[in-house]
Amino acid sequence: AQKITQTQPGMFVQEKEAVTLDCTYDTSDPSYGLFWYKQPSSGEMIFLIYQGSYDQQNATEGRYSLNFQKARKSANLVISASQLGDSAMYFCAMREASYGQNFVFGPGTRLSVLP
Amino acid sequence: DGGITQSPKYLFRKEGQNVTLSCEQNLNHDAMYWYRQDPGQGLRLIYYSQIVNDFQKGDIAEGYSVSREKKESFPLTVTSAQKNPTAFYLCASSRSERQGLTTDTQYFGPGTRLTVL
Repeated sequence: AQKITQTQPGMFVQEKEAVTLDCTYDTSDPSYGLFWYKQPSSGEMIFLIYQGSYDQQNATEGRYSLNFQKARKSANLVISASQLGDSAMYFCAMREASYGQNFVFGPGTRLSVLP
Repeated sequence: DGGITQSPKYLFRKEGQNVTLSCEQNLNHDAMYWYRQDPGQGLRLIYYSQIVNDFQKGDIAEGYSVSREKKESFPLTVTSAQKNPTAFYLCASSRSERQGLTTDTQYFGPGTRLTVL
């Protein structure tokens, strides 16, 4: 069974608008971390934001925020005021405390920002 | 600057040849990882290492081998036993592998694109 699901293979957003990229996860471990990465066409993976399972507040990093709904096991990435440079693949990943070293990645969502 | 370097950026291999991809980090990270990414796909774990002289198989280790003789280095060899090696290979490292810790993110190198001719 997939541990990380990203149901949107591709998304389009108009420049300067906000966009939400979906991520749902599956774990029975009470302690876990959720990560979002950006992969531009160059191929490098860029860390964007982290949310811990015990964090009471949603994580924010500049224009990125994470809409964490623990009961629904979802960790959606919100990008505000989209820029052309935001066009990239976006991956959601999870790290479970019981499997400390392993990160599990979702299939990714390709975001295209339109001028 | 601290970071992860991978070389070469592009690599071409003839069928039946072994090739070695380099990965070096100066972040003083304990753990290192190798991932394979096929076009339009996510990342799949090949091997990981928590400490020097120790490494574990990931989900798709067949046809690959690694070594971890130094903390800074984690080279990946793609052997002739790997039937479909054409892919993008990413190396990553993270600070801690203590059980129960989930906060440490992985940092990635720029990747090596391997093509089998």
